[in-house]
Amino acid sequence: QVTLKESGPVLVKPTETLTLTCTVSGFSLSNARMGVSWIRQPPGKALEWLAHIFSNDEKSYSTSLKSRLTISKDTSKSQVVLTMTNMDPVDTATYYCARMGELGQFDYWGQGTLVTVSS
Amino acid sequence: QSVLTQPPSVSGAPGQRVTISCTGSSSNIGAGYDVHWYQQLPGTAPKLLIYGNSNRPSGVPDRFSGSKSGTSASLAITGLQAEDEADYYCQSYDSSLSGSNWVFGGGTKLTVL
Repeated sequence: QVTLKESGPVLVKPTETLTLTCTVSGFSLSNARMGVSWIRQPPGKALEWLAHIFSNDEKSYSTSLKSRLTISKDTSKSQVVLTMTNMDPVDTATYYCARMGELGQFDYWGQGTLVTVSS
Repeated sequence: QSVLTQPPSVSGAPGQRVTISCTGSSSNIGAGYDVHWYQQLPGTAPKLLIYGNSNRPSGVPDRFSGSKSGTSASLAITGLQAEDEADYYCQSYDSSLSGSNWVFGGGTKLTVL
């Protein structure tokens, strides 16, 4: 079955760079036609799409966060990695990775990982 | 401020029908992009409820239905049950001169009275 699992630090300091890893199983990143996205949700707030990587390695970033984000994948390890630079307390959120289906829907989600930004 | 606008909350008694609206614009829903809906139970990841405006993934009860018209979409839940109490989000794609993004609504909290 399809699963995704996020991993990374639970606490980062302001100005540091966050690196999150999404490890997938049940499908291949090389032929998951629509790819994998990162989405975040601050406590008590709405979902926010961050970045996406397609199977052909094409990448797309949130217009408002583009300068701080980098998404990449390692197909052999079944991993998608997101880096976000210059972290700020407002970036405190649960970060999810999710597989995208053919109509642009997020059909499978990881359990999420809570990242707190604090000194 | 979300690109897609949802009411912050809706409520209904068990057995009743409720609808949740999702209002967009000519750069997203009105441009023909599909709308998808998610259910998020407290402390859990979102779950796909409706995709491609009106399609249900396997395992989603037919009490849930979706529709789209013009620049808006709606999620309807009939035969409301206590377990339906959750947050619901709509999602689509937005493409304008300022860029292209996948976008979510602000979420609607459903309370079953």
